[in-house]
Amino acid sequence: GQQLNQSPQSMFIQEGEDVSMNCTSSSIFNTWLWYKQDPGEGPVLLIALYKAGELTSNGRLTAQFGITRKDSFLNISASIPSDVGIYFCAGPSGGGADGLTFGKGTHLIIQP
Amino acid sequence: DTGVSQDPRHKITKRGQNVTFRCDPISEHNRLYWYRQTLGQGPEFLTYFQNEAQLEKSRLLSDRFSAERPKGSFSTLEIQRTEQGDSAMYLCASSGGRGGTGELFFGEGSRLTVL
Repeated sequence: GQQLNQSPQSMFIQEGEDVSMNCTSSSIFNTWLWYKQDPGEGPVLLIALYKAGELTSNGRLTAQFGITRKDSFLNISASIPSDVGIYFCAGPSGGGADGLTFGKGTHLIIQP
Repeated sequence: DTGVSQDPRHKITKRGQNVTFRCDPISEHNRLYWYRQTLGQGPEFLTYFQNEAQLEKSRLLSDRFSAERPKGSFSTLEIQRTEQGDSAMYLCASSGGRGGTGELFFGEGSRLTVL
């Protein structure tokens, strides 16, 4: 099945710094999605990407759909404490299935 | 609140007992999903409904698991004869309406601990 590899696994940054994380796939995706999960909560959709090369912003978040269609990037500018959490990339499971395959997540920790 | 709601939020049970989780999706969404998430992992797909029809089941969904969506609205996920390996967060999500492919809205999850 589809596999998504996220890096880095975790990030320790200072408040105010910019953050960059990425996700690569073993196969081509037609859709990339980025979710954020806070402790004890369900994932929340941040950004959805539908075209190769597409660059989409949501406030301080910017995500790009890689041209090869096998990768995607998420950037957070000027991080703030509420950005702490786990960021997941996801894409369609493929093979006619309607579910999503998720990566293992990037855990963002902001040091005071 | 018109989001996806799940009940109970937490369940502690002894091995061998049966448990049932309920999910109420966003009202205008016709698609409903169940996922399982263990510590340090992303959500893993279990099963999917379109209206009342269960269209897909993952290999993760053993015979002890059964999901229903009898009227195409709320859904239940039952685990029979629970095992310690069933301990996880069970997430429900829904989609539909004007949302694009894969734009799932998740509930807060039901955390299961099997002793």
